[in-house]
Amino acid sequence: NAGVTQTPKFRILKIGQSMTLQCTQDMNHNYMYWYRQDPGMGLKLIYYSVGAGITDKGEVPNGYNVSRSTTEDFPLRLELAAPSQTSVYFCASSYPGTGHTEAFFGQGTRLTVV
Amino acid sequence: GQQVMQIPQYQHVQEGEDFTTYCNSSTTLSNIQWYKQRPGGHPVFLIQLVKSGEVKKQKRLTFQFGEAKKNSSLHITATQTTDVGTYFCAGLTGANSKLTFGKGITLSVRP
Repeated sequence: NAGVTQTPKFRILKIGQSMTLQCTQDMNHNYMYWYRQDPGMGLKLIYYSVGAGITDKGEVPNGYNVSRSTTEDFPLRLELAAPSQTSVYFCASSYPGTGHTEAFFGQGTRLTVV
Repeated sequence: GQQVMQIPQYQHVQEGEDFTTYCNSSTTLSNIQWYKQRPGGHPVFLIQLVKSGEVKKQKRLTFQFGEAKKNSSLHITATQTTDVGTYFCAGLTGANSKLTFGKGITLSVRP
């Protein structure tokens, strides 16, 4: 039972490069989220999805794109990387309803843009 | 939109002191959850509260859901250095709503 898996764990990008952060979950969760966490700060929601084919913006979506073609996968795309996107990125998933609705987080991707 | 607030962002205590932090929502919640993130780690689920006025304990940690289901508290008795980390609350407004996280409070404990 892998839970939420994020790849890569670490990445250094040059300004202007692009990359995709991968996130996959094996718990059949409907809801998936992408957060960024700057050093010493809290979680900021980038994008979220309530199911395959549905995505919505969070509080800091600029510079990012997502897709949700399957229930399991929720990749985050960075286009034209900027130093301000240096952060730790967490993917999470949860199941809606009235029972166990807690979020499960991946281990994070530590991204540095230089 | 729904907001979940945690203030302050940082708190420093002496080992052995008690610690209490609060979480406030702008809307009524169907449930509230607490998470702990150790330094360098990822947030990990601690507990979920569903009923108005509910109190749950985990060893030295006590969690409470307010009567109006708009606020919650986390109390740690006799803090230890292992309690260091960031504590997040997260709220749900309904069965099909997304989780909304507070900004978290980072606790440091002086030995």
